[in-house]
Amino acid sequence: NAGVTQTPKFRVLKTGQSMTLLCAQDMNHEYMYWYRQDPGMGLRLIHYSVGEGTTAKGEVPDGYNVSRLKKQNFLLGLESAAPSQTSVYFCASSGTGNSPLHFGNGTRLTVT
Amino acid sequence: AQSVSQHNHHVILSEAASLELGCNYSYGGTVNLFWYVQYPGQHLQLLLKYFSGDPLVKGIKGFEAEFIKSKFSFNLRKPSVQWSDTAEYFCAVFGAGSYQLTFGKGTKLSVIP
Repeated sequence: NAGVTQTPKFRVLKTGQSMTLLCAQDMNHEYMYWYRQDPGMGLRLIHYSVGEGTTAKGEVPDGYNVSRLKKQNFLLGLESAAPSQTSVYFCASSGTGNSPLHFGNGTRLTVT
Repeated sequence: AQSVSQHNHHVILSEAASLELGCNYSYGGTVNLFWYVQYPGQHLQLLLKYFSGDPLVKGIKGFEAEFIKSKFSFNLRKPSVQWSDTAEYFCAVFGAGSYQLTFGKGTKLSVIP
């Protein structure tokens, strides 16, 4: 039972490069989320999706884009990476909006 | 908009000491409340949750939390901590009508053997 799987686990980018983080869940969950975690800031919501084909902005959406073409996948894109996007990124999913979240293991991204 | 405030940034306790971590939230309507734990190098895991009913909820590993509606609080407690409880603890709120779970900034707990 894989749960929520994130790839890659680690990545180093140069300023201006682009990349996509992939999140996959095998629990048939409707809701999926992307958070970033920074020291002393807790988890801040970047974007979320309430179902296949839908996306919405969270608390800190600038500089990121997302897509939910398939129910099980939620992609987070950085078009032009900036050092301020150095962070640990967590994907999460839930069956309903107020159900407990299931988290992936995180992606540590460094932008130099 | 909903928000969560955790009062302590870092708490240091000796083993067997009692623990209470404060959490206050801001939201005008019905809420669901959660405590998550993040052990070093790992992702967040659910400790306990409150949806309705008995305001004293029990979670895993001997943790409990009390929802006090009049104080907008959901404090986490454990009577006797262990070294293995060393982790970061996050309080989170889900407001009715919201699609977002909002986290506090976290409290780091260090337990000294």
